[in-house]
Amino acid sequence: QVQLVQSGAEVKKPGSSVKVSCEASGGSFSRYAITWVRQAPGQGLEWMGAIIPVFGRVYYAQKFQGRVTITADDITNTAYMELGSLRSEDSAVYYCARGDDPGDYAINYDYWGQGTQVTVSS
Amino acid sequence: DIVLTQSPGTLSVSPGERATLSCRASQSFTSYLAWYQQKPGQAPRLVIYGASSRATGIPDRFSGSGSGTDFTLTISRVEPEDVALYFCQQYGTSPLTFGGGTKVEIK
Repeated sequence: QVQLVQSGAEVKKPGSSVKVSCEASGGSFSRYAITWVRQAPGQGLEWMGAIIPVFGRVYYAQKFQGRVTITADDITNTAYMELGSLRSEDSAVYYCARGDDPGDYAINYDYWGQGTQVTVSS
Repeated sequence: DIVLTQSPGTLSVSPGERATLSCRASQSFTSYLAWYQQKPGQAPRLVIYGASSRATGIPDRFSGSGSGTDFTLTISRVEPEDVALYFCQQYGTSPLTFGGGTKVEIK
C-alpha cells in the first residue's frame, strides 16, 4: 500500500522560501513521478510540477518556472518542493501525489499526501 | 493551457436522486480525464480515470462518460457520504489542469 507523508505546516514571511517534503513508502520510489499540486483557500487545484527520480527529469508549470525547485532523494524515498520569493497569494495547502503509471508524469493520481499548510504573512 | 470549466458550481440533490456533473474543456483532447472527490479537510481521492474507468474501491453508482471537450460524472443514486467537492483533471497535455470544482450537497 503506497503512502505519502508530508512535512508539517509552515508560516513564512513574504520574500522568503519554503521547502516541503513528501516521504513515500510501500512501493518502488524512483520509477514513479511525484507531482506537486496546491490549493489556495476556497479554490481549486493547481498543478505545479513533477519529478521522475529514475530519469532525473523535472517538469514545471510555466507559472512557477524560476520560483519552484522540485528534487528527490531515492535513498530516503523523499521528494521535496521548494518555493521561493513567497507572497501572500502563495498561502495554500500543498499536496504531493503519485500515480500508478511508471515513468510518466502526465497521469491521474491514485495516491495523495495529507497536505501541508503554508501560510505567508508578515 | 487547457481550461476546464465545471458546472454547476453547486448541486443540491435529495438522497437517492441522480447527480450529473459537467466538465467542459477549452480544446479537444484524448480521454485523459480524471475525476476526484474531496471532502472537507481531506486530500482529493481518485474516482474516475480515463474518462470512464472507476478507480479501486469506488462504488458502481459513480460513472464517467464523454470525449473531446465534454465530460460527465454521474452519481446514479446520491448517498449522504457523497457530499463533497468534485474536480475534473485533464492529463493529456502539459500543463496538467483542473476544473474549478462542483460542490455536491444534500437537500
